[in-house]
Amino acid sequence: DTAVSQTPKYLVTQMGNDKSIKCEQNLGHDTMYWYKQDSKKFLKIMFSYNNKELIINETVPNRFSPKSPDKAHLNLHINSLELGDSAVYFCASSQAGGSQETQYFGPGTRLLVL
Amino acid sequence: AQSVTQLGSHVSVSEGALVLLRCNYSSSVPPYLFWYVQYPNQGLQLLLKYTTGATLVKGINGFEAEFKKSETSFHLTKPSAHMSDAAEYFCAVSDNFNKFYFGSGTKLNVKP
Repeated sequence: DTAVSQTPKYLVTQMGNDKSIKCEQNLGHDTMYWYKQDSKKFLKIMFSYNNKELIINETVPNRFSPKSPDKAHLNLHINSLELGDSAVYFCASSQAGGSQETQYFGPGTRLLVL
Repeated sequence: AQSVTQLGSHVSVSEGALVLLRCNYSSSVPPYLFWYVQYPNQGLQLLLKYTTGATLVKGINGFEAEFKKSETSFHLTKPSAHMSDAAEYFCAVSDNFNKFYFGSGTKLNVKP
C-alpha cells in the first residue's frame, strides 16, 4: 500500500522537450510538495499546495508549473527542459497542524536531460 | 527564518561503534524537528521527530535524538552501527506553516 507514489520513476529526455511527473497520495493529507534534489543531495523545496491551492512557490523558473486537480494529486509539468533540470524530483505530503506535521516522501523521479 | 546545519557531509564509523550525526537549527518559533534517512536510489523515510513533550525521541532502527533548546541542536545517535545503517541522513525543521527546511545531508559510511 504505497502512501505517496510518483510516476515515472525514471525519465530520460532531450533538451527542449516538455515532460510531466505525476504524484498521488492516499494518506488523506491536505498538503503536497515538490522538492528538487541535486547531484550533491541538497533538497530544495519548489512548490507546496494546500487543498489544491498554491501556498509556497519558491524561486523556480516559470518553465515549471504545478497542477493540483484534487488534494490527493500534485503533478509537475516542465516546459523546454534544460540540462540543469537533471535531478531527482520528490513529491511529499503532510497533514499540517500540531504534532501531525510530518512529511511523507514518494520514491522520487530521476530526470536526466540530454 | 528557519535553517538547518548538518556538520560533516561524510561520517565514517566501524560496525558496532557509536553513531553521532550532528544537526543544529535556527528557528524564530518553537520548532518541529525531524530526521530522515535516504537509502541509495530511494526516497526519504522518516526516522524520528520531535514536536512537543519529551526531549529524547526514539525512532526506528535503534536511532534516537535529543532536542536541546539551549544548544539549538537535535543530534542523531545510535549506540551500535550496523552495515545496513549506511545511507544519507537529513535533518529538517518545520515552523508548522507547511514549510520544511532540510539540512545538506550527512552520508554515513559503516566499515566492517
